[in-house]
Amino acid sequence: SYELTQPPSVSVSPGQTASITCSGDKLGDKYACWYQQKPGQSPVLVIYQDSKRPSGIPERFSGSNSGNTATLTISGTQAMDEADYYCQAWDSSLLVFGTGTKVTVL
Amino acid sequence: QVQLVQSGAEVKKPGASVKVSCKASGYTFTSYDINWVRQATGQGLEWMGWMNPNSGNTGYAQKFQGRVTMTRNTSISTAYMELSSLRSEDTAVYYCARGDVIWIDPWGQGTLVTVSS
Repeated sequence: SYELTQPPSVSVSPGQTASITCSGDKLGDKYACWYQQKPGQSPVLVIYQDSKRPSGIPERFSGSNSGNTATLTISGTQAMDEADYYCQAWDSSLLVFGTGTKVTVL
Repeated sequence: QVQLVQSGAEVKKPGASVKVSCKASGYTFTSYDINWVRQATGQGLEWMGWMNPNSGNTGYAQKFQGRVTMTRNTSISTAYMELSSLRSEDTAVYYCARGDVIWIDPWGQGTLVTVSS
């Protein structure tokens, strides 16, 4: 079965850039999405179709996808960005989530 | 605004079944798939399957084949997910979410299902 692998944790200082990777076989040939989940809340879509931001998502969130890796970048990270982040893609009509990354803003 | 409102928390005994509802509003219910995702405490997101409310067609993750059934009632814009033969490992928050092309958005508020004897 298809797997998407993310680093368990990423730490970033306020105002700095956080990069979260998502690795999967030929992931660049598929579309990747990203979700943010804060404690006790439902996930929220922050990036779709590799690099598009839904309405209401701050410009500091951006995404890219090439080769075997999709990347979510948070520029000028704020304390409110501390959350779990999950990548997602489809493979053979099955939806797959990444393993998840906890972003800590120190 | 687009909204998915789920039914309340459930406590079930091992071997029982649970049926979670998901009422959609703010859009045409039959125009978008409904996906179901679960999350055990402290764990990641696990996709269970999808349903097309227009046709009733479904697609389930292999792990849940034979134990999960996704249905809908279009007259009240509500989707349902029933999971049978419950075991303690099924204790989790269950989410419904609207499918849009290849992403899912928005998500319901989640329904906690506890399986305990």
